[in-house]
Amino acid sequence: SQQGEEDPQALSIQEGENATMNCSYKTSINNLQWYRQNSGRGLVHLILIRSNEREKHSGRLRVTLDTSKKSSSLLITASRAADTASYFCATDYGNNRLAFGKGNQVVVIP
Amino acid sequence: DVKVTQSSRYLVKRTGEKVFLECVQDMDHENMFWYRQDPGLGLRLIYFSYDVKMKEKGDIPEGYSVSREKKERFSLILESASTNQTSMYLCASSSIAGPNTGELFFGEGSRLTVL
Repeated sequence: SQQGEEDPQALSIQEGENATMNCSYKTSINNLQWYRQNSGRGLVHLILIRSNEREKHSGRLRVTLDTSKKSSSLLITASRAADTASYFCATDYGNNRLAFGKGNQVVVIP
Repeated sequence: DVKVTQSSRYLVKRTGEKVFLECVQDMDHENMFWYRQDPGLGLRLIYFSYDVKMKEKGDIPEGYSVSREKKERFSLILESASTNQTSMYLCASSSIAGPNTGELFFGEGSRLTVL
């Protein structure tokens, strides 16, 4: 099955810095989504970018999509301690289901 | 507030026991999913359902079955639990959005330990 693959796998930054994560995938997609998971909890949807979009913003989040390189990036600006979580990209390859990557753990140090 | 509720946050079962994991959503969503999450492996799709009494195998259906008798309820069944089914189980739902898969709404997860 297709899966997004996040890079880097783990990231540790100081509060106020920006955090960037990348996701690559293998074949064409309908859309790509990013989710966040706090430790031991369910996932929460952050943002969805369609295959015909290149960039999308939501608050302090910025997502880009490069379909020619089959990759996406998630930027969190001015990070806060509360942003400490795991972040997952998920690709929609049709059939009403998503394939998730392994996740990227972000630690924001106060 | 929209909600996906999983019946148990933590369960401990013995090898060979039958296990039921229940999931209920209050959003009138057509699609419902069961994933399992393991360290280093991310989320893997076990089964999903796009309508009442309909089910589709995901990537790792072996050892599992599902039931969807009502639109709001999707149950995951382990007929004979084994230690390699110790995991976090996540239920999710979504509405149909044309050819695209829309946003998934997740429950809080059920952490199952099989001894």
